[in-house]
Amino acid sequence: DVKVTQSSRYLVKRTGEKVFLECVQDMDHENMFWYRQDPGLGLRLIYFSYDVKMKEKGDIPEGYSVSREKKERFSLILESASTNQTSMYLCASSFRVTAFFGQGTRLTVV
Amino acid sequence: AQSVSQHNHHVILSEAASLELGCNYSYGGTVNLFWYVQYPGQHLQLLLKYFSGDPLVKGIKGFEAEFIKSKFSFNLRKPSVQWSDTAEYFCAVMKEDSSASKIIFGSGTRLSIRP
Repeated sequence: DVKVTQSSRYLVKRTGEKVFLECVQDMDHENMFWYRQDPGLGLRLIYFSYDVKMKEKGDIPEGYSVSREKKERFSLILESASTNQTSMYLCASSFRVTAFFGQGTRLTVV
Repeated sequence: AQSVSQHNHHVILSEAASLELGCNYSYGGTVNLFWYVQYPGQHLQLLLKYFSGDPLVKGIKGFEAEFIKSKFSFNLRKPSVQWSDTAEYFCAVMKEDSSASKIIFGSGTRLSIRP
């Protein structure tokens, strides 16, 4: 079974902190994605990566950056967390056209 | 703007009722289509997918979806729902472009089944 693992299920951070969300996949997938999920808005794409060190902006990249130094790991970085970044963050990796999701990280910024 | 639209935000049905959830997309060109489900407290799971061929696609747990190219639609159906189908359902489109294939999701439909 494909496994996509997000390092934390729940995080609470203070406004202005630098926050790292980590995601690891074990199937050698080339594509990886970060989404945020908010009620009534569905999943919105923040960033995605199609290879090591390659990244592209999604629909809502403002306030976020990403890092992909190794194929299996894709990190989402909040440079200076703000309360409007309180959300559920989902990581996914894909093989050909099928995406597999992690369990999500619920981030609360206070 | 290119988008994926799910017009039903919350659907409430009784057990054994038939289900149809709408999904429309506005992308041209080659697309692959998906329905994902998220049960309460669980991660997203793939229900079914369409790449090419027969426009009627069958997925897990008795779900099916029909791709109608002329209508840019990919509606999800189930003839008889069960209480365990209570979940949030997301339609998604993978648009193929030159650099990578990104997946765009609709806003989701919450399905509540009355026992």
